[in-house]
Amino acid sequence: DGGITQSPKYLFRKEGQNVTLSCEQNLNHDAMYWYRQDPGQGLRLIYYSQIVNDFQKGDIAEGYSVSREKKESFPLTVTSAQKNPTAFYLCASSIVGGDFYEQYFGPGTRLTVT
Amino acid sequence: AQKITQTQPGMFVQEKEAVTLDCTYDTSDQSYGLFWYKQPSSGEMIFLIYQGSYDEQNATEGRYSLNFQKARKSANLVISASQLGDSAMYFCAMLEGGLTGGGNKLTFGTGTQLKVEL
Repeated sequence: DGGITQSPKYLFRKEGQNVTLSCEQNLNHDAMYWYRQDPGQGLRLIYYSQIVNDFQKGDIAEGYSVSREKKESFPLTVTSAQKNPTAFYLCASSIVGGDFYEQYFGPGTRLTVT
Repeated sequence: AQKITQTQPGMFVQEKEAVTLDCTYDTSDQSYGLFWYKQPSSGEMIFLIYQGSYDEQNATEGRYSLNFQKARKSANLVISASQLGDSAMYFCAMLEGGLTGGGNKLTFGTGTQLKVEL
């Protein structure tokens, strides 16, 4: 089955530690995205990548870093510089082209930092 | 200014009834796409329906239809014959300008929590 996997589903970390969230897709999509969702709010874009070895900052990139070494993988690192890291993180992917294509989402990782 | 506005934080509907979830948007682009996603309590985002700004007909997907009124900048989701499984959070989202240097950046509204009752 094609889809997006995110692991783990729940993640707990101590304040001051960096943590990396995994995102893998087998949809052969060129573009991948990371979103953050806080309770009662919509999704906000952290980073996105349209091609391997290239990525751009979204609206709330401060305190986060990403890499895109393989088409299938787009890991997100939440660094200790992120002031409020506790949130629900969603990874997505899509076709890239001249039209508007829906983004397919993974199941999400719920990160709690104490 | 908010690009996507969903003014209904919560809605109730009886099973088998139809319900309309409101969405208004703001853009200066001539070319854009509007999407609706469903988010159950498990958290995943499920794509429901898409409407392109140049599409002349309202989009439909099974029990979902999109009431697109371009002049009013509204893209309301209509769910017909509601089912208990439709209880979820619903998000309206917009892509502007096609593939540009800015990439395919979805802008989301704050969502509407729908509860379907017996």
